[in-house]
Amino acid sequence: DAKTTQPNSMESNEEEPVHLPCNHSTISGTDYIHWYRQLPSQGPEYVIHGLTSNVNNRMASLAIAEDRKSSTLILHRATLRDAAVYYCIPNSDSNYQLIWGAGTKLIIKP
Amino acid sequence: NAGVTQTPKFQVLKTGQSMTLQCAQDMNHEYMSWYRQDPGMGLRLIHYSVGAGITDQGEVPNGYNVSRSTTEDFPLRLLSAAPSQTSVYFCASSPLAGVYNEQFFGPGTRLTVL
Repeated sequence: DAKTTQPNSMESNEEEPVHLPCNHSTISGTDYIHWYRQLPSQGPEYVIHGLTSNVNNRMASLAIAEDRKSSTLILHRATLRDAAVYYCIPNSDSNYQLIWGAGTKLIIKP
Repeated sequence: NAGVTQTPKFQVLKTGQSMTLQCAQDMNHEYMSWYRQDPGMGLRLIHYSVGAGITDQGEVPNGYNVSRSTTEDFPLRLLSAAPSQTSVYFCASSPLAGVYNEQFFGPGTRLTVL
């Protein structure tokens, strides 16, 4: 399983973009990069995933480095409701056993 | 749809007691799993199931049993509770078919073992 490195915590101002980095230098060629987030006292929720090219959805964008050894989750305009722990999880698309690290705690300042 | 539901929300046990954490989903998902989350850490997989009648162990299965008699339900049994099992437990489900299927999580059960 690929190991990940994420900052323990990050702070951002409300209504500004947020870039959450993740290093996954041992990722295999078939691993997707998944992002989940966990709001306080709630279960995790899916954010986005991608393989090689950048991905966008209604929640966020995912920028994947060309060598795939790192990726960045982008929240285009953070709100207070985006305060959560964000997890980056490299995983094969057919493997449902997600391996979770400690994630990045995102603090949004009003 | 109610999604993934878990009961109870909170539970306090004494060492040696047994209990069952309930998990149900109404999305007809084949895959279901149980995780535990200790303070300040990520989730760790306990057991999972890819369909009714099929279960398998995850990363930390000791002290827990599961069964899957229906597609909807996936209960987790603590055989003899220990303080080390104090944690928050999350159930998740996902459809198996498709290119990628996100996992849907329940709200969690906070368990304290004294």
